[in-house]
Amino acid sequence: NAGVTQTPKFRILKIGQSMTLQCTQDMNHNYMYWYRQDPGMGLKLIYYSVGAGITDKGEVPNGYNVSRSTTEDFPLRLELAAPSQTSVYFCASSQPGQYNEQFFGPGTRLTVL
Amino acid sequence: AQTVTQSQPEMSVQEAETVTLSCTYDTSESNYYLFWYKQPPSRQMILVIRQEAYKQQNATENRFSVNFQKAAKSFSLKISDSQLGDTAMYFCAFMRDDMRFGAGTRLTVKP
Repeated sequence: NAGVTQTPKFRILKIGQSMTLQCTQDMNHNYMYWYRQDPGMGLKLIYYSVGAGITDKGEVPNGYNVSRSTTEDFPLRLELAAPSQTSVYFCASSQPGQYNEQFFGPGTRLTVL
Repeated sequence: AQTVTQSQPEMSVQEAETVTLSCTYDTSESNYYLFWYKQPPSRQMILVIRQEAYKQQNATENRFSVNFQKAAKSFSLKISDSQLGDTAMYFCAFMRDDMRFGAGTRLTVKP
């Protein structure tokens, strides 16, 4: 099992550009999450999904969109990049009932200039 | 909303000694989960230990153990026989409907 994979590992965007962060998991988990981690801080939840076709906002959803067309994939879309979105982005997945343990991807470092 | 507080931004410990990292949280719920995650320089988030709130017994995983005080809303992590590989950021997390993380404690193990 590869677990949770994220692409790209690094990206630099100009203000106003758009991009999609990819996330794939091969553990057949129903739940998937997107977090951002600002320097010196813990992770904050952006969006989450409890299954294909179902998504919901987390603590900091503004400026982002998500979709969940399959169990495996949960892409995060930034439409108009802003410097405040400079952060490290983590995708995670979990299966309800398994102690709620979340498995994390390696992260994507995004810089908006 | 639930909040998680880690009051020690940085700590250091000598190799082979014991260190305790503090975590407090705020909630009105009675059923929830608590976690400690380790984040080494590689950035990967690694689960260290978990605790279900309905269990009174403190969780233990090899050199890692917790002191869970439900009434005090406290969840500290004790690392025994510290190793150089324990150097990392440590995050306390609370989970009920979603996961809330503390700001982290940077732990340095010195040789």
